[in-house]
Amino acid sequence: DAKTTQPTSMDCAEGRAANLPCNHSTISGNEYVYWYRQIHSQGPQYIIHGLKNNETNEMASLIITEDRKSSTLILPHATLRDTAVYYCIVRVQKTTDSWGKLQFGAGTQVVVTP
Amino acid sequence: EAQVTQNPRYLITVTGKKLTVTCSQNMNHEYMSWYRQDPGLGLRQIYYSMNVEVTDKGDVPEGYKVSRKEKRNFPLILESPSPNQTSLYFCASRYRSGVADNSPLHFGNGTRLTVT
Repeated sequence: DAKTTQPTSMDCAEGRAANLPCNHSTISGNEYVYWYRQIHSQGPQYIIHGLKNNETNEMASLIITEDRKSSTLILPHATLRDTAVYYCIVRVQKTTDSWGKLQFGAGTQVVVTP
Repeated sequence: EAQVTQNPRYLITVTGKKLTVTCSQNMNHEYMSWYRQDPGLGLRQIYYSMNVEVTDKGDVPEGYKVSRKEKRNFPLILESPSPNQTSLYFCASRYRSGVADNSPLHFGNGTRLTVT
């Protein structure tokens, strides 16, 4: 799986949009970009994923650059509950994928302030 | 509400006393998996199951057992727990759709196990 690079931390004011970048310059054509977040000691929470088109759901939007070498997760109106570590991972699409060796990396610590 | 439920959330036990951590999902997912999370080591897979009666070892299976007798449940069994199994454990599940199999993992809220 391709390696990802994320900033260590970022702050965001409550009510403002939070834009979280992720670099995945070695991504291959069949690898999806997934975003998860983890609030301290809780289970990782799935947010969104995509291949090459921009995606939006009730939680966030995912913008993937045309060359697919980077992406941005957008939380449109950050709340205090969005304070968490956010992880960007890339995984290849395989029917036999066991989702083992799940390397979430260090992620981005997002702190939403009042 | 669609979810993965683990029990208990916290467990303190002594070396050698058999224990079971339960995991149940209500999303009719074929795939289920167990992970342990330790500081600096990320999430490491213990066992996984592609479907009922099908289980396979992950990266760190030693000291653990699992069973998948029905689709919704995937218990993790520690026959003789040791202090090095003190960790935060997560169960996860996902839908396997065949050809376009990009469905994400959904995690439970975790079980913090302490073995003294």
